[in-house]
Amino acid sequence: DAGITQSPRYKITETGRQVTLMCHQTWSHSYMFWYRQDLGHGLRLIYYSAAADITDKGEVPDGYVVSRSKTENFPLTLESATRSQTSVYFCASSDPDRVGADTQYFGPGTRLTVL
Amino acid sequence: GDSVTQMEGPVTLSEEAFLTINCTYTATGYPSLFWYVQYPGEGLQLLLKATKADDKGSNKGFEATYRKETTSFHLEKGSVQVSDSAVYFCALSDPGSARQLTFGSGTQLTVLP
Repeated sequence: DAGITQSPRYKITETGRQVTLMCHQTWSHSYMFWYRQDLGHGLRLIYYSAAADITDKGEVPDGYVVSRSKTENFPLTLESATRSQTSVYFCASSDPDRVGADTQYFGPGTRLTVL
Repeated sequence: GDSVTQMEGPVTLSEEAFLTINCTYTATGYPSLFWYVQYPGEGLQLLLKATKADDKGSNKGFEATYRKETTSFHLEKGSVQVSDSAVYFCALSDPGSARQLTFGSGTQLTVLP
């Protein structure tokens, strides 16, 4: 049972480059989420998706783009990376109708450094 | 909007000490409440949850009770171990918030042998 995976686990890029972080889940959960984790801020929601082809903004969406053409994948793209986007990014999934209580399951994270 | 306020860290305890990490929340509806744990270099794992007032969530010796009257969900453990060293996050899910989780800022716990 692979669960939820993220790739790459570590990424170093330069300011202005486009970067895509991948997230894949094997549970067929309906909801998927992207968070960033920064010291002193806990986790902040970037974007989420309630189902394939349905996405919506979270607390800090600026500078990010998402898509969800298939239920199992939810890539996050930084169109033109900035130093302020240096962070650890976590993907999560949930299926409230089956699992209940909005429990979210997290991937291992991607540590992104923008130089 | 919804918010979660957590006890500031870091917290350092000796093995077998009693642990309390305070968590209070503000929500417009009747949220579900969660504690997640993050071990070094890993993602978050669900530790326990409670979905309604007076529910007690428990797991691995940790407990937390959903107190609606004080809007709190404090995490407790009677005797911590070195292996409990991690960052602990309190979170809520408000039914009116499209299944989003709102997190506290996290509390770093270090348990010394």
